[in-house]
Amino acid sequence: AQSVTQPDIHITVSEGASLELRCNYSYGATPYLFWYVQSPGQGLQLLLKYFSGDTLVQGIKGFEAEFKRSQSSFNLRKPSVHWSDAAEYFCAVGPMDSSYKLIFGSGTRLLVRP
Amino acid sequence: EPEVTQTPSHQVTQMGQEVILRCVPISNHLYFYWYRQILGQKVEFLVSFYNNEISEKSEIFDDQFSVERPDGSNFTLKIRSTKLEDSAMYFCAARTGHDEQYFGPGTRLTVT
Repeated sequence: AQSVTQPDIHITVSEGASLELRCNYSYGATPYLFWYVQSPGQGLQLLLKYFSGDTLVQGIKGFEAEFKRSQSSFNLRKPSVHWSDAAEYFCAVGPMDSSYKLIFGSGTRLLVRP
Repeated sequence: EPEVTQTPSHQVTQMGQEVILRCVPISNHLYFYWYRQILGQKVEFLVSFYNNEISEKSEIFDDQFSVERPDGSNFTLKIRSTKLEDSAMYFCAARTGHDEQYFGPGTRLTVT
């Protein structure tokens, strides 16, 4: 069955520190991969996506993610975190079947220390 | 940049009542989705809709739920007889082809 695992429920980093949020997926082939961010009470904003090609993808707000096929991972990184990055981050996979529905991980809540 | 919009932003209803959640996708989008997020939980797929019919639905999407695109622009989710456990944030999403899904801001449904 298709699934997405985000092993860290909460992560706290200091402002200016680097960040890595983990995401592992289970799927029979290479799916489409996404990272979304959700601020409290808000909708889902796409940070970045991977469909094919270069395995290191750049997104908005200085985020990047690397697809590692051998590890079935798509970890999100940012070299220097800003206080405004505090939010919930969701990894999602989009199986290449007829519906292209998204399957979300359970999310990682990022807290930023001043 | 065009956006997916949803109305209302917040709906409060009594248990057993019918609710209709509305979504206006971007005009050239062809594939439509509803997802829900129960408070504090992950986002869950409900249903996908293409060419005026359901292409896939989850086990959550039982007979109490229905979707339609009545006028070629709005995309609606109807819950016939709401239950307390239907309280959640409901997100509409849409896409054109092999690309990302664009999400609306969500409708918070509160069933009392």
